[in-house]
Amino acid sequence: RKEVEQDPGPFNVPEGATVAFNCTYSNSASQSFFWYRQDCRKEPKLLMSVYSSGNEDGRFTAQLNRASQYISLLIRDSKLSDSATYLCVVNRNNFNKFYFGSGTKLNVKP
Amino acid sequence: GAVVSQHPSWVICKSGTSVKIECRSLDFQATTMFWYRQFPKQSLMLMATSNEGSKATYEQGVEKDKFLINHASLTLSTLTVTSAHPEDSSFYICSATREGSYNEQFFGPGTRLTVL
Repeated sequence: RKEVEQDPGPFNVPEGATVAFNCTYSNSASQSFFWYRQDCRKEPKLLMSVYSSGNEDGRFTAQLNRASQYISLLIRDSKLSDSATYLCVVNRNNFNKFYFGSGTKLNVKP
Repeated sequence: GAVVSQHPSWVICKSGTSVKIECRSLDFQATTMFWYRQFPKQSLMLMATSNEGSKATYEQGVEKDKFLINHASLTLSTLTVTSAHPEDSSFYICSATREGSYNEQFFGPGTRLTVL
């Protein structure tokens, strides 16, 4: 079983839509969680960390459910510039390793 | 702060040659550096983890004699693809973590390798 699993999409949504991505992780010892954004042929860039209590950054909201071992990302009022691949990343601190999901592709259309 | 650079940004080489890719942390000391490979439409696959002054830890299935990693200082790690073949063509990305912020990794811009 993969460490991190994501729905590959693509999610095709109109501008202004709300879209949600989920990600599941297999190891309950995982301690840190992140969402990264990757544009085509570019390196991943940190979008936001995911905290146990959930956190929000503008139009983006991240949630963590440790009991069910999943992480979610909600994007409100989608913009064309949100089109990218969103990567779910999990870290087990004691191993200092980061595990990447395969990414979920988002296409926001006018 | 926390800028990571990679050089070269792209390289084309003939089959059988070796290619060296540099990863530098420009404004911080990197306790650990990671090397990833990404094939088209796939996610990043961790190749190896390296700490300054010690041997790199390779992921299962990654040939250490083919992908030589040297982490000579706290700001520089190099990946050498030896005897490159067309199937090694990929996007190679490094990342680094810094002391006191082990949970966050900072990515280099990547190196696109094409082997003819």
